[in-house]
Amino acid sequence: EAGVVQSPRYKIIEKKQPVAFWCNPISGHNTLYWYLQNLGQGPELLIRYENEEAVDDSQLPKDRFSAERLKGVDSTLKIQPAELGDSAVYLCASSLGREAGPYNEQFFGPGTRLTVL
Amino acid sequence: QQQVKQSPQSLIVQKGGISIINCAYENTAFDYFPWYQQFPGKGPALLIAIRPDVSEKKEGRFTISFNKSAKQFSLHIMDSQPGDSATYFCAAIIFFNDKIIFGKGTRLHILP
Repeated sequence: EAGVVQSPRYKIIEKKQPVAFWCNPISGHNTLYWYLQNLGQGPELLIRYENEEAVDDSQLPKDRFSAERLKGVDSTLKIQPAELGDSAVYLCASSLGREAGPYNEQFFGPGTRLTVL
Repeated sequence: QQQVKQSPQSLIVQKGGISIINCAYENTAFDYFPWYQQFPGKGPALLIAIRPDVSEKKEGRFTISFNKSAKQFSLHIMDSQPGDSATYFCAAIIFFNDKIIFGKGTRLHILP
């Protein structure tokens, strides 16, 4: 079974440019998460989707970050414009969701490493 | 505000030795305490997890010890192998909001 797929794996852009990351979750996983992982730190949640609904976006910097999951399957995270401090790894994860019970596991993709010059 | 404090930041252990990583938390609302393993270029993967009503859980060479009164928990890797070299994250979860709070990670290196 394929895991969580993310693309691109690496992205280098100039500051003030836009950038987008794509995630395809494990088939059948209703819940999708985007995390930010800075160098030497643990991942931090940016946004969580239950199907196509963003149920927790409290940590998403809405002035420059946006996300969508239009059909409740794959998702796109966008930054516009990018700043130097946005250089990090952006991880996507998916799970079966709360309906599967409290212990359902989040499966992480390999991430997209963003470098803003 | 960091809610899960992890130590040490880095750890070097001889092959065959015991690796120990410690974590502490303050929020008593946490329902579940997982440990994740992350290799370079990969996302974190669940290694082992424990509920707060259990004091110890063992899976193969990996053991979590949990002290609810002290609000501390630790990961023990027995007979550490070079393939265990990775970054390990302790974490805590509140089921109500389905949010994982990660520690800052421990970079473990096992000497061959």
